Amino acid sequence: QVELVESGGGAAQPGRSLRLSCAASGFSFSLYGMHWVRQAPGKGLEWVAIISSDSNNQDYGDAVKGRFTISRDDSKNTLYLQMNSLRADDTAVYYCAKEGCYNGVCSGHFDWWGQGTLVTVSS
Amino acid sequence: QSVLTQPPSVSGAPGQRVTISCTGSNSNLGAGYDVHWYQHLPGTAPNLLIFGDNNRPSGVPDRFSGSKSGSSASLAITGLQAEDEADYYCQSYDTSLRAYVFGTGTKVTVL
Repeated sequence: QVELVESGGGAAQPGRSLRLSCAASGFSFSLYGMHWVRQAPGKGLEWVAIISSDSNNQDYGDAVKGRFTISRDDSKNTLYLQMNSLRADDTAVYYCAKEGCYNGVCSGHFDWWGQGTLVTVSS
Repeated sequence: QSVLTQPPSVSGAPGQRVTISCTGSNSNLGAGYDVHWYQHLPGTAPNLLIFGDNNRPSGVPDRFSGSKSGSSASLAITGLQAEDEADYYCQSYDTSLRAYVFGTGTKVTVL
């Protein structure tokens, strides 16, 4: 059974940094792209970042570009999100999600999600 | 601001059919990118309901169905049940933004 478990959330002051982790199990982690998605309090889902299965490609939403870095360690089956220069509007529950593929074709969806980790940015 | 627009809320009695619309543009749904649907209960992991416009993952009841035409898509829930009360999001890719995008979200209430 696929399992994704996020950790590393907590409280941080504006301008500081946090690193989130997502431990994956139940599938061949190295074969799939991985995403971070967030949900601010009372708001909808917002895509944050993607890293390809081979780590050669990353992409980010405009709100976090230049401040957040996505990475992965396939030897540890773990996904990371380094969050720098945190702002109050980064306050959200952060979810990691697995790239969805069907019959060998990945169609841009997220087929498994973690339970999320809460990040609160406040002075 | 989301580029995929959904109604804020829909409601129905148990057993009824409800539909949720998702309106995009020619840089996402209209450009041929697939639409996907998720069910989300606060405090839990979102759950994939429909992928690739109209495909159900194993384990998702056939009460849930999806369709897409041009720049619009819809999710239908038939035989509405109390356990279907949740938030629902459509999702696609936008080639102008070069980003994965979600709809504004729809809260389904079972009367």
